Amino acid sequence: QITLKESGPTLVKPTQTLTLTCTFSGFSLSTNGMGVGWIRQPPGKALEWLALIYWDDDKRYSPSLKSRLTIIKDTSKNQVVLTMSNMDPVDTATYYCAHRGTGNYEGVFQHWGQGTLVTVSS
Amino acid sequence: DIVMTQSPDSLAVSLGERATINCESSQSILHSSKKKNHLAWYQQKPGQPPKLLIYWASTRESGVPDRFSGSGSGTDFTLTISSLQAEDVAVYYCQQYYTTPRTFGQGTKVEIK
Repeated sequence: QITLKESGPTLVKPTQTLTLTCTFSGFSLSTNGMGVGWIRQPPGKALEWLALIYWDDDKRYSPSLKSRLTIIKDTSKNQVVLTMSNMDPVDTATYYCAHRGTGNYEGVFQHWGQGTLVTVSS
Repeated sequence: DIVMTQSPDSLAVSLGERATINCESSQSILHSSKKKNHLAWYQQKPGQPPKLLIYWASTRESGVPDRFSGSGSGTDFTLTISSLQAEDVAVYYCQQYYTTPRTFGQGTKVEIK
């Protein structure tokens, strides 16, 4: 059974750097084809894809946010960490991590964490 | 970037009636050699994460009721709920996974009339 859980601060100040951790179980990020992505959703708005890291450490970022994002994995801890610099109130959102499937689910976000709400305010 | 555009933004359907949501991609998301459309549909209820309903444009996820179906190819796709139930009230999103950045539609809110 695959589970994911996001953790991190609920409140950050403008200009600060946000660090979010996705802790997962039920799969290994060292397995061929596996990946973990981050997606966010401002209150009442649509989903926005942020970043994706693959088993081979290939990393992909949203072009509009690329300069502010860093994604890394710690395979031994079953964790993926996303950092976003220079936070602004418009970055207030629920941040989700999701498992990128393999095989018949190749590329699909089959499993999602519950999300964590991050508010940016002074 | 591939832009995903859903229509309508919202719709109200009577219980037991059909609901149809459209999704258009700005370029084809049909993988020519795999002959698969890299398109997924998600359902999101208030306070919950998105739930995968359909992938490869028309493959229903395990456990998803068969009243949900997906169709389309290339750039035009449809999610159909054949007989709307009260528990289907939600926002539905399409997403392409053909290339990065992965992109979502703006969402379609389905309500009971």
